[in-house]
Amino acid sequence: RKEVEQDPGPFNVPEGATVAFNCTYSNSASQSFFWYRQDCRKEPKLLMSVYSSGNEDGRFTAQLNRASQYISLLIRDSKLSDSATYLCVVNMSGGSYIPTFGRGTSLIVHP
Amino acid sequence: ETGVTQTPRHLVMGMTNKKSLKCEQHLGHNAMYWYKQSAKKPLELMFVYSLEERVENNSVPSRFSPECPNSSHLFLHLHTLQPEDSALYLCASSQDLGSRDRYLNTEAFFGQGTRLTVV
Repeated sequence: RKEVEQDPGPFNVPEGATVAFNCTYSNSASQSFFWYRQDCRKEPKLLMSVYSSGNEDGRFTAQLNRASQYISLLIRDSKLSDSATYLCVVNMSGGSYIPTFGRGTSLIVHP
Repeated sequence: ETGVTQTPRHLVMGMTNKKSLKCEQHLGHNAMYWYKQSAKKPLELMFVYSLEERVENNSVPSRFSPECPNSSHLFLHLHTLQPEDSALYLCASSQDLGSRDRYLNTEAFFGQGTRLTVV
């Protein structure tokens, strides 16, 4: 079983749509969770951290379910500029907590 | 302006060459990482240095050799690479917060990467 699993997509949605991405992780001892965004041929950049109680940043909402080892990202009112790959990142225990990346989910927002 | 700087941004090398990638972080972090990203593949962790000690090595081939002289600098020495080693090599840093015998990391910040082509 992969340590961090994501549906690779692509998700192809019109502007204004709401889209949700899911991510599952294998290590129940994981402590920190993040969503990153990666544009084509660029480095990943932090989009938002994911907190146990869930958190929101503008159009973006992140949720964590520790019992199911599941993280989600919801994007409301999609913009063309949201087109990118979204990476789920879990800091996994292996002595130190190592940032472990999912494969990424590709989002394409079209006019 | 990123707090993590990688050089060079692009590198083309022959299979018999020796080259080094450099990474420098200005964020005061105590952990640094090398990741490899091949086309259409997820990020693969290559090396981790926390507090200047190598913490984990994911069985990367010996033709890749990391060096971490201090908490701000990280190198990846390359020799006798293969064409399949062509990829984007990303350096990242984070802060190991340290809690007894367990470590908690803050988020990782990435450099812009070195796009390596082996010919």
